[in-house]
Amino acid sequence: GQQVMQIPQYQHVQEGEDFTTYCNSSTTLSNIQWYKQRPGGHPVFLIQLVKSGEVKKQKRLTFQFGEAKKNSSLHITATQTTDVGTYFCAGHSGAGSYQLTFGKGTKLSVIP
Amino acid sequence: EAGVTQSPTHLIKTRGQQVTLRCSPISGHTSVYWYQQALGLGLQFLLWYDEGEERNRGNFPPRFSGRQFPNYSSELNVNALELEDSALYLCASSPGGLAGRINIQYFGAGTRLSVL
Repeated sequence: GQQVMQIPQYQHVQEGEDFTTYCNSSTTLSNIQWYKQRPGGHPVFLIQLVKSGEVKKQKRLTFQFGEAKKNSSLHITATQTTDVGTYFCAGHSGAGSYQLTFGKGTKLSVIP
Repeated sequence: EAGVTQSPTHLIKTRGQQVTLRCSPISGHTSVYWYQQALGLGLQFLLWYDEGEERNRGNFPPRFSGRQFPNYSSELNVNALELEDSALYLCASSPGGLAGRINIQYFGAGTRLSVL
């Protein structure tokens, strides 16, 4: 079955440093979504990427979808303490199955 | 607009007992998904219901089951609880349907289950 791998599992950064998490799928994806889960909270949708090579920005967050639609990344510029949480990617294969396959997430800690 | 609501918020059970968790999706959403989030293990897909039918299930034993009601709310039942069932159980809803739409999932706050 489809597998979505995410690295790193944990990342500790000083406030102001950049952060990147990477997501790789074992199969070609029709789209990829990113979610953020704050400590003690539930996952909240951030963004969806659909097109090969697509890049989207949300303020300090930059999301990329690979040309082969098998990988994606989330980059945060100049992290802030409000960025703390676990970031999950979730892939949709579109192969007749309409469920998402989530990566295990990257837990980001920001040291003030 | 109300979000996805789950009940109860916390639950303590002992091994061998049975538990029922409940989820009400966002109004207008027909798909409900259940996930298990154990410590350090990310989101493990349990079940997906759409239009009252079970559409897919994850790699969990049959003692995990559920159903979706005509009003699209859903229950997750876990029989013969084991210690490793202790986790946060998250429900998500999406507009659903099998028309090929790419659906964003909206999560509830979850039910924290502790099995002693």
